Parts: sequence; C-alpha cells; structure tokens
Amino acid sequence: DAGITQSPRHKVTETGTPVTLRCHQTENHRYMYWYRQDPGHGLRLIHYSYGVKDTDKGEVSDGYSVSRSKTEDFLLTLESATSSQTSVYFCAITGTSSTDTQYFGPGTRLTVL
Amino acid sequence: DAKTTQPPSMDCAEGRAANLPCNHSTISGNEYVYWYRQIHSQGPQYIIHGLKNNETNEMASLIITEDRKSSTLILPHATLRDTAVYYCIVRVVISRKPPGSQGNLIFGKGTKLSVKP
Repeated sequence: DAGITQSPRHKVTETGTPVTLRCHQTENHRYMYWYRQDPGHGLRLIHYSYGVKDTDKGEVSDGYSVSRSKTEDFLLTLESATSSQTSVYFCAITGTSSTDTQYFGPGTRLTVL
Repeated sequence: DAKTTQPPSMDCAEGRAANLPCNHSTISGNEYVYWYRQIHSQGPQYIIHGLKNNETNEMASLIITEDRKSSTLILPHATLRDTAVYYCIVRVVISRKPPGSQGNLIFGKGTKLSVKP
C-alpha cells in the first residue's frame, strides 16, 4: 500500500468553526489530491497540488482552501465549516504524469453539526 | 468521461475466479479503462488499468474487448478479503495537465462482490 496517512480519522465539529485535515505521504510523489465522497456523487475533486506551493481548484472547491509547504504534506482547510461539508474526505497521490493511477489514503470522516 | 455500466452485485465462491464485467460502449479512443475497489470504510484502492491490450498484475487481469466497448476484471483466486465494491472507470489522460486535474473521479455505483466461504 502507498504510504499515505490522514489525520484526524474522525472529527465532529460545529457549524462555523475552522477545520484542518492533514494528508501525509512518504512516497515523495509530486501530485496530491483532496476528494470528498458522498452517497450518489462518487468521488468529487476539491483541490489538487502538482508540487510544493503549486495548487489548483477542482470541481467543488468553494469553502475549501489548501496548502502544500512540503512535498509530503497537503492540508485541507474548511475556513468556516457548514453542514453541507459533512462527508468522508480522501487524500490521494500519484507520482507519474503518464497515467492517472491514484493511491488513496484511509479517509477522514467529518461531521459538521 | 464515458459512462460505464456494471451489475450491482455478484457472488463468488472462495478460491474461484471472480469475473466482473463492465460496459463502456461510448468509450473514445483516448480513454483508458481503470478499475478500483473500495472495501467498507476504507479508501479506494487502485487495481489495474489498460487502453487496448489485456493487462495483468499481481492483483488481477483486465480483458478489454477488441472494439473496447466492454471489459472484464478477473480476480483469479478470490479470497474473503476481496469482498468489496468494484468500480470501472474510463478516463481521458491529458498528458500536458497534472493527472487527475481533469476533475471528478466518477465511481458510479460499482459492483458489490461478495466472496463466500
């Protein structure tokens, strides 16, 4: 399995509070991604990174920001959490540009009350 | 990305081959076929992918028909740990853009494979 960890694994928070999720990889892969998974929607791309300090928006980026100050860490921040952001969040990595094989972390289950 | 159709569920006896079909009749020439699986409460796991030719790795084999309109994922000797939801995805790979940047990874509903003792 790819060396990807996510923290925390579970979090319950209240509407309006800031939340930061961390993705850590030991593979030295260039590309990192944040997805959310909701019933009926599959996996939706939030943000991705193609290198340190290089990030871009995905399909559902509103309400989320990211930072990547080191190759191994990719942080997802919900500046002011809303109930619609209750979801399971997955981080993924890939090291090659020639295909689209992505390796996923174990996920973070976030509940916003 | 082209749409895929998979049976909602399948059963397989432990130790037997599991053959999971996928229909992708609208696939275009530059789209790859990818297979992932997701075991309950875990992250999706990459299995295999291919463009035209059949592919095999340590996990599975992928058989793509000559017209590329369908494919079959084969788990040669299924174990109880192979019980999962299996997703067939077709995706364009745009070499000048970061992989995955073309947006959503649409998993659809997949096939729930139950491996039974």
